Amino acid sequence: GQQLNQSPQSMFIQEGEDVSMNCTSSSIFNTWLWYKQDPGEGPVLLIALYKAGELTSNGRLTAQFGITRKDSFLNISASIPSDVGIYFCAGQTSGSRLTFGEGTQLTVNP
Amino acid sequence: DAGVIQSPRHEVTEMGQEVTLRCKPISGHDYLFWYRQTMMRGLELLIYFNNNVPIDDSGMPEDRFSAKMPNASFSTLKIQPSEPRDSAVYFCASRGRGLALNEQFFGPGTRLTVL
Repeated sequence: GQQLNQSPQSMFIQEGEDVSMNCTSSSIFNTWLWYKQDPGEGPVLLIALYKAGELTSNGRLTAQFGITRKDSFLNISASIPSDVGIYFCAGQTSGSRLTFGEGTQLTVNP
Repeated sequence: DAGVIQSPRHEVTEMGQEVTLRCKPISGHDYLFWYRQTMMRGLELLIYFNNNVPIDDSGMPEDRFSAKMPNASFSTLKIQPSEPRDSAVYFCASRGRGLALNEQFFGPGTRLTVL
């Protein structure tokens, strides 16, 4: 089946630093989604991307849909302690099934 | 606006018992998804419904698992009999129509522990 390779698996950064994470696949996706999950909660949608090359921002977050449609990245600028959590990418081809990456665990040291 | 509602938030049961997880999707959404999350396997799609009809149940682990959606505002995921390996966090998500076709919104999850 389809697989998403998300990297890095974990990141330890200082408050104020910028963060970048990405997802790659051997399959082409029509949609890329980025979610954040806090402990004990469900994933929360951060950004949705629908077109190859699309660059979308949501506050300090910026995500891009790769031109090849096989990858996407998420950047967080000027990180703050509440950015701590697990970030997931998800891709969708046809139908309604999403394929999720393994997640990036982000730790922000004050 | 109320998001996806799940109950219970936590469930501890003994092996062999029946477990029923409940979900209320966002009003107006016509897709409902059940996921399972574990450390080993990450987020796995179990089954999803469109307009209350099961569309894809290929992720349901085995016959012990069943899901129903009797109406647009309620779904259940049942495990009978439960086993320790079923211990996980179970999420329900819903999705609406229109431009945001692929944006799924998750509930807070039910943490299931089977002893």
